[in-house]
Amino acid sequence: AQTVTQSQPEMSVQEAETVTLSCTYDTSESDYYLFWYKQPPSRQMILVIRQEAYKQQNATENRFSVNFQKAAKSFSLKISDSQLGDAAMYFCAYRSLANFGNEKLTFGTGTRLTIIP
Amino acid sequence: DAGVTQSPTHLIKTRGQQVTLRCSPISGHKSVSWYQQVLGQGPQFIFQYYEKEERGRGNFPDRFSARQFPNYSSELNVNALLLGDSALYLCASSPGTAFYGYTFGSGTRLTVV
Repeated sequence: AQTVTQSQPEMSVQEAETVTLSCTYDTSESDYYLFWYKQPPSRQMILVIRQEAYKQQNATENRFSVNFQKAAKSFSLKISDSQLGDAAMYFCAYRSLANFGNEKLTFGTGTRLTIIP
Repeated sequence: DAGVTQSPTHLIKTRGQQVTLRCSPISGHKSVSWYQQVLGQGPQFIFQYYEKEERGRGNFPDRFSARQFPNYSSELNVNALLLGDSALYLCASSPGTAFYGYTFGSGTRLTVV
């Protein structure tokens, strides 16, 4: 079974600065998806960014980018120019491609990000 | 377009009771999944349904069951509620084809007293 580890329960960053959230995972599979989700106080999980394991190029979405190190099984999220609206819980998630049609996501325990004005 | 809608928003039940949570996916989405999120933890996978067929089941007791209807909406049922069932229950939908990530609802907060 796959596991996802987020070793930083809490992080804080000054507004407009850059912060990196860490995520490692354990798997024996070679093809899979990785995701970062954001959960603000409204409780709704919002997809931030995704990465297909077969792609070597790191995904980027505006101010959000990832550092995907497949051999090291590491998938960190970098947030540039942090904004007050970025304050939330951030979850790293893994999706296996081993079982066709099974869309199960395995989540980490989350990192609470605080933005300091 | 409406997102994923869940009802009710909050619910308080007594130990031993039964509860039914409801989810309406985004229009056109055929896959619905349920997750349990205990306070301070990440969501845990409970079930996934695609076109009324169960595609996946997490490590939850048989007290948990679900079904999907022809209009792709879904219900999650929990019998014989325990205090430990208190959690946020999240529903998520996807098209069920090329998977680019779920769209989640805002969840149902279940409190068991």
